[in-house]
Amino acid sequence: DGGITQSPKYLFRKEGQNVTLSCEQNLNHDAMYWYRQDPGQGLRLIYYSQIVNDFQKGDIAEGYSVSREKKESFPLTVTSAQKNPTAFYLCASTTSGGFNEQFFGPGTRLTVL
Amino acid sequence: AQSVTQLGSHVSVSEGALVLLRCNYSSSVPPYLFWYVQYPNQGLQLLLKYTTGATLVKGINGFEAEFKKSETSFHLTKPSAHMSDAAEYFCAVTESGGSNYKLTFGKGTLLTVNP
Repeated sequence: DGGITQSPKYLFRKEGQNVTLSCEQNLNHDAMYWYRQDPGQGLRLIYYSQIVNDFQKGDIAEGYSVSREKKESFPLTVTSAQKNPTAFYLCASTTSGGFNEQFFGPGTRLTVL
Repeated sequence: AQSVTQLGSHVSVSEGALVLLRCNYSSSVPPYLFWYVQYPNQGLQLLLKYTTGATLVKGINGFEAEFKKSETSFHLTKPSAHMSDAAEYFCAVTESGGSNYKLTFGKGTLLTVNP
């Protein structure tokens, strides 16, 4: 089955530690996205990538970093510089030339203790 | 710049009653519009989308939405609510012909269905 996988589902880290969230897709999509979701704030875009080896900052990129070395993979690192990292993180992808509908992974809930 | 406003962060209906979730958008070019549903601790699932053509679009689970350009609205409706409809719903917009494929989401509406 084609889709987007995110691992792990739940992640706990101590304050001050960097943590990397995994996102893999087998939909052959060109573009991939990372969103942060907090209660009552909807989805906020962290980073996005339209092609391999290229990515752009979204609305709340500070304290986060990404890489796009393979078309299928778009990992997100939450660094110690992120002031309030506890949140639900969603990865999405879409194909170029379409109607821009995005397909979402199941999400990773990060809790920083 | 594009934006989305969802009126009502929380809507409560009785089982069998009409569901109406409101979405207004702002876009400088003809928009593509989407409704997504999210169940607790899960990702978002596409309910329906408007791109071009017929302004009344039908989606999964009996939902439909009507694009009204004059009102810049894309409200989501379902004639009869079911307990399984309880979830959070997000409206989203993107610019047709845009090159960065970015979606702008509303803040969401939590739908509660009472027995």
